[in-house]
Amino acid sequence: AQSVAQPEDQVNVAEGNPLTVKCTYSVSGNPYLFWYVQYPNRGLQFLLKYITGDNLVKGSYGFEAEFNKSQTSFHLKKPSALVSDSALYFCAVRDIGSNYQLIWGAGTKLIIKP
Amino acid sequence: ETGVTQSPTHLIKTRGQQVTLRCSSQSGHNTVSWYQQALGQGPQFIFQYYREEENGRGNFPPRFSGLQFPNYSSELNVNALELDDSALYLCASSLGGDYNSPLHFGNGTRLTVT
Repeated sequence: AQSVAQPEDQVNVAEGNPLTVKCTYSVSGNPYLFWYVQYPNRGLQFLLKYITGDNLVKGSYGFEAEFNKSQTSFHLKKPSALVSDSALYFCAVRDIGSNYQLIWGAGTKLIIKP
Repeated sequence: ETGVTQSPTHLIKTRGQQVTLRCSSQSGHNTVSWYQQALGQGPQFIFQYYREEENGRGNFPPRFSGLQFPNYSSELNVNALELDDSALYLCASSLGGDYNSPLHFGNGTRLTVT
């Protein structure tokens, strides 16, 4: 069965420092991977996706993610964190065995301190 | 383009009552999916509609039902409300058949069952 794990409930980073939010996955076949961000009392916003091609994917708001097939990881990164990046981040993978539904991680709360 | 809109934004119901939540999909999108997000958790897939037919369902009881209309808007109906149904209900639209296509979410309906 497809699954997604976000091993950290919370990540704390000082403003201006690089940030990483971790995600590992388990799929059969090629993965379709996504990152979304959720601000308080809002829906989820799409950040970026990996389908095929370059392992480094660039997305919205200066975020990027690195796909690593051997480690089955898809970590979200940003070179220099902003206080406004503080939010809840979700990793998701398409479940090709269930009509391509998205399987979601539990989320990681990112806190950027000034 | 018009984004995904959900109504109402907040709702308070009593245990045992019924509720209908509404969603207008983004223009050009023919697929709508519904998610339940409990506080501090990731989204849980309820079901998906493609061209007015349900084509995927998560692990939710039959008292959760839905509809999709010819204009691709959608409703989520929940009968016999239980206290555990209190959550943020998210609607997302996408272009069916395009598995690269990210989901576009509304801001959700916050349902409180007392």
